[in-house]
Amino acid sequence: GESVGLHLPTLSVQEGDNSIINCAYSNSASDYFIWYKQESGKGPQFIIDIRSNMDKRQGQRVTVLLNKTVKHLSLQIAATQPGDSAVYFCAENFGNEKLTFGTGTRLTIIP
Amino acid sequence: EAGVTQFPSHSVIEKGQTVTLRCDPISGHDNLYWYRRVMGKEIKFLLHFVKESKQDESGMPNNRFLAERTGGTYSTLKVQPAELEDSGVYFCASSRLEARGTDTQYFGPGTRLTVL
Repeated sequence: GESVGLHLPTLSVQEGDNSIINCAYSNSASDYFIWYKQESGKGPQFIIDIRSNMDKRQGQRVTVLLNKTVKHLSLQIAATQPGDSAVYFCAENFGNEKLTFGTGTRLTIIP
Repeated sequence: EAGVTQFPSHSVIEKGQTVTLRCDPISGHDNLYWYRRVMGKEIKFLLHFVKESKQDESGMPNNRFLAERTGGTYSTLKVQPAELEDSGVYFCASSRLEARGTDTQYFGPGTRLTVL
């Protein structure tokens, strides 16, 4: 069946370095992808999204890349800060508005 | 603008009891969603309201779960009777109603349910 998954469950990055979190999806019909950040005790917080007619989108310190050929999504965070430590989820939308989430990657920023 | 709010933040109940979770979406958001995350697993969709109507309830695990959204504003999710496997964090999300169907879903802080 369709699934959205993450390659790595944990990632540690030195403060100030860039981080890349990856995600694979299996449904080529998916047309909308979202990255969420979840801090302890809070709900998922929207970071950035991308539609299937784009391959790159930039926000403040974050960039999402979409490679439809290999069904791969990545989140790049530039100049990481301690506040970036959290669990990051990619989510996939099949057009009917129901989100399908991956298991999440825990990002730890090392001071 | 206030975000999505959920009540209570935590609930601890005994197996067989009833619990009702409440979600207040962002004002003006006609779409309302319930999701949950059980221990060690991914966040999974439960159901979707458009205003007061259930658009998709394919994720509801069984008939012990009942969701309502009378009047198209806040929503409740009742679990009756609760079982041990219902423990987890229940999230509510809301979004605007868009003609093309996809709009950003904003999540509440979640209700952590523990069934003993």
